[in-house]
Amino acid sequence: DIQMTQSPSSLSASVGDRVTITCRASQGISNYLAWYQQKPGKVPKFLIYGASTLQSGVPSRFSGSGSGTDFTLTISGLQPEDVATYYCQKYYSAPLAFGGGTKVEIK
Amino acid sequence: EVQLVESGGGLVQPGGSLRLSCAASGFAFSSYSMNWVRQAPGKGLEWVSYISSTSSTIYYADSVKGRFTISRDNAKNSLYLQMNSLRDEDTAVYYCARGRAAAVVTPNDYWGQGTLVTVSS
Repeated sequence: DIQMTQSPSSLSASVGDRVTITCRASQGISNYLAWYQQKPGKVPKFLIYGASTLQSGVPSRFSGSGSGTDFTLTISGLQPEDVATYYCQKYYSAPLAFGGGTKVEIK
Repeated sequence: EVQLVESGGGLVQPGGSLRLSCAASGFAFSSYSMNWVRQAPGKGLEWVSYISSTSSTIYYADSVKGRFTISRDNAKNSLYLQMNSLRDEDTAVYYCARGRAAAVVTPNDYWGQGTLVTVSS
């Protein structure tokens, strides 16, 4: 099965900073990659699909890129409401594996 | 408004069984695939199972294969997860989540609030 590895596992940044989270697949998955945001105590929220397409209503400071095995989620101008854990998920084929998550905090 | 409401969680002993339900509303349930995703306390997300809109395609994570059974009743707009031979490591919040298409695996655009399953003696 294809494994998904996220890095870093946690990060702390200042408001307004550019934040980058990396997700790596153990095999190529084309662009079948999604990102989710889970705020503390809340349900996961769908952010991005197709590696780079924002779901409707997601702020434009979020962006995704990558293809094959290496992907990134970027927050351009971190806001206090972005404090959350972010997960990547591959959907190239079953199993629909998630990465381990990246916890984003405000410095 | 899309709504997914899980029920059926609770405390069960190791080796026991439990059936989770997910009631869907606000969309054409029979046109979408569905998934179960779980999250152990303080841990990350783990995909559990997928079912296509017509139930023709079903997938399971290796960790639950042979013990869990996913099903759906499109007439009742409901998704189910029958969980047998439960283990301590099955303790988690179980989310029902909608796929974005009928018959291919896709990301999950809407999630329920989750139901807690605790396996303990």
